[in-house]
Amino acid sequence: EDQVTQSPEALRLQEGESSSLNCSYTVSGLRGLFWYRQDPGKGPEFLFTLYSAGEEKEKERLKATLTKKESFLHITAPKPEDSATYLCAVQATGGSYIPTFGRGTSLIVHP
Amino acid sequence: KAGVTQTPRYLIKTRGQQVTLSCSPISGHRSVSWYQQTPGQGLQFLFEYFSETQRNKGNFPGRFSGRQFSNSRSEMNVSTLELGDSALYLCASSFGTTNNEQFFGPGTRLTVL
Repeated sequence: EDQVTQSPEALRLQEGESSSLNCSYTVSGLRGLFWYRQDPGKGPEFLFTLYSAGEEKEKERLKATLTKKESFLHITAPKPEDSATYLCAVQATGGSYIPTFGRGTSLIVHP
Repeated sequence: KAGVTQTPRYLIKTRGQQVTLSCSPISGHRSVSWYQQTPGQGLQFLFEYFSETQRNKGNFPGRFSGRQFSNSRSEMNVSTLELGDSALYLCASSFGTTNNEQFFGPGTRLTVL
């Protein structure tokens, strides 16, 4: 069974204090790993898709990286508007294309 | 381009009633997936439709059902509501068959009393 574990569950940062969120996964074969951002009361917003170990993608202050067992979402010099829950999901090879989601990391950035 | 829309945004029902939720995907998207999100379980997959056919189904009881119309709009129905069905129901659409980039709607917040 595919499993996705995100840590920490919650993270509080000061504005400008860089940090990383972790997503560790167990799948028989990885087709893709996705990162989403979810604001309270809204649906998840797609951020990145990573397909193979070593791949990196960036968007503004966010950078996602992928290894064979985990992915990191690095947040550089965060701002209060980066406060949200960040969700990770994996899609396995050989079967349905349904992603399995982690529980998310709730990030609060204080001014 | 308009995003995924879901109606209604909020619903309050009582136990035993049934409910129908609606989702309009992004224009041109043919795949629609439904998820249930709760604080305790996170995002759980309900079912997926592609070109009016249910392609995948999650581990939910038969009280949860859905359908997709020829214009890709989708509905999900929950019959005989239980207190535990209170959740945010999210619809996501994607263009092709691989769901490698899903776009979510704002969700329908269902409260069962």
